[in-house]
Amino acid sequence: TQLLEQSPQFLSIQEGENLTVYCNSSSVFSSLQWYRQEPGEGPVLLVTVVTGGEVKKLKRLTFQFGDARKDSSLHITAAQPGDTGLYLCAGKYNNDMRFGAGTRLTVKP
Amino acid sequence: DARVTQTPRDKVTEMGQEVTMRCQPILGHNTVFWYRQTMMQGLELLAYFRNRAPLDDSGMPKDRFSAEMPDATLATLKIQPSEPRDSAVYFCASGLGQRTDTQYFGPGTRLTVL
Repeated sequence: TQLLEQSPQFLSIQEGENLTVYCNSSSVFSSLQWYRQEPGEGPVLLVTVVTGGEVKKLKRLTFQFGDARKDSSLHITAAQPGDTGLYLCAGKYNNDMRFGAGTRLTVKP
Repeated sequence: DARVTQTPRDKVTEMGQEVTMRCQPILGHNTVFWYRQTMMQGLELLAYFRNRAPLDDSGMPKDRFSAEMPDATLATLKIQPSEPRDSAVYFCASGLGQRTDTQYFGPGTRLTVL
């Protein structure tokens, strides 16, 4: 069982649509990170959130850390084919970083 | 543009053969991580080094896997003997300072054991 559960596991949408992916746990994290991994490459850090309720924006991407620091969401507005990839969340837990299994997003032109 | 490099990018081998994967962390980084990624398990931490000392290898099958840092510019992950269930993408990542700080990933080595 993953400490961090990501949903949905797969998501395929058309260019221009909005979407939200989720990262949930029953455990509390002192911080949480989102990474994007493109095919054939390693994950690349997008954002780190540290405060419960924190919202961070990165162009069309909006990241939110839950008030209780147990969950997070990533919302993409007007998705583009370049957003295609595997989105991973990673939580700081007991002096360790734990990764979720990821949401595999495909944005079709 | 500093990056983590990994070699080889792809490796196909037969069961029972020894496999060595290499990683060059970003210059100046003092933490190195080895991960294995599969569709079923996602990213699994295999080993963690800080200042070249192995601090955690609890995620690594000890009987066949070994990880070392001969110097600050080279980390190796060896599998001997390899088995088909070892087929996966192996990532190296490096970072500054603590285990939970930002990790910079290499492009990975795709290992296929026949």
